[in-house]
Amino acid sequence: NAGVTQTPKFQVLKTGQSMTLQCAQDMNHNSMYWYRQDPGMGLRLIYYSASEGTTDKGEVPNGYNVSRLNKREFSLRLESAAPSQTSVYFCASSVDRGNTEAFFGQGTRLTVV
Amino acid sequence: GQQVMQIPQYQHVQEGEDFTTYCNSSTTLSNIQWYKQRPGGHPVFLIQLVKSGEVKKQKRLTFQFGEAKKNSSLHITATQTTDVGTYFCAGPGNYGQNFVFGPGTRLSVLP
Repeated sequence: NAGVTQTPKFQVLKTGQSMTLQCAQDMNHNSMYWYRQDPGMGLRLIYYSASEGTTDKGEVPNGYNVSRLNKREFSLRLESAAPSQTSVYFCASSVDRGNTEAFFGQGTRLTVV
Repeated sequence: GQQVMQIPQYQHVQEGEDFTTYCNSSTTLSNIQWYKQRPGGHPVFLIQLVKSGEVKKQKRLTFQFGEAKKNSSLHITATQTTDVGTYFCAGPGNYGQNFVFGPGTRLSVLP
């Protein structure tokens, strides 16, 4: 059981570079999420996808874009990375909506220099 | 928008002491979840509470949902070094489409 798989695990970018964080789940979940975690800030929602074909902004969407490629995959793109985007990024999924257990990926540690 | 607060932010305890973290929401919650994140790890689901006044136990962990469904607590009896980590509460966000996490309580257990 792979659960939620994120790639890459670590990444260093220069300011202005772009990259895509990949996330895939094999649990047939409808809803998927991207969070960022900064020290003392907890988990803040960037974007979510309640179901295949839909995406919505979360609390901190600026500087990010997402694609729900299919039911399994939900990617997060940084078009022009900034040092303020240095963080740990977590992808998560749940069966449906926000009232069922969320499963998290291992996280991506991103540093923008 | 909905806010979920947690106190304390940090807690240092001696192994064997008890620990409690509190979670408060600005709005009534249909349910509340608790997660644990070990250092360097990812959040892992512990439990979900749904009913007003609900109390659930998992070995040394006791979870409680307030009568008004706006607050919750997690109590650990006789902490062990394996309890080290950050404990988050989370509730449904706007329209129930996502999760809103509290800032977490980081627990350190001194052997």
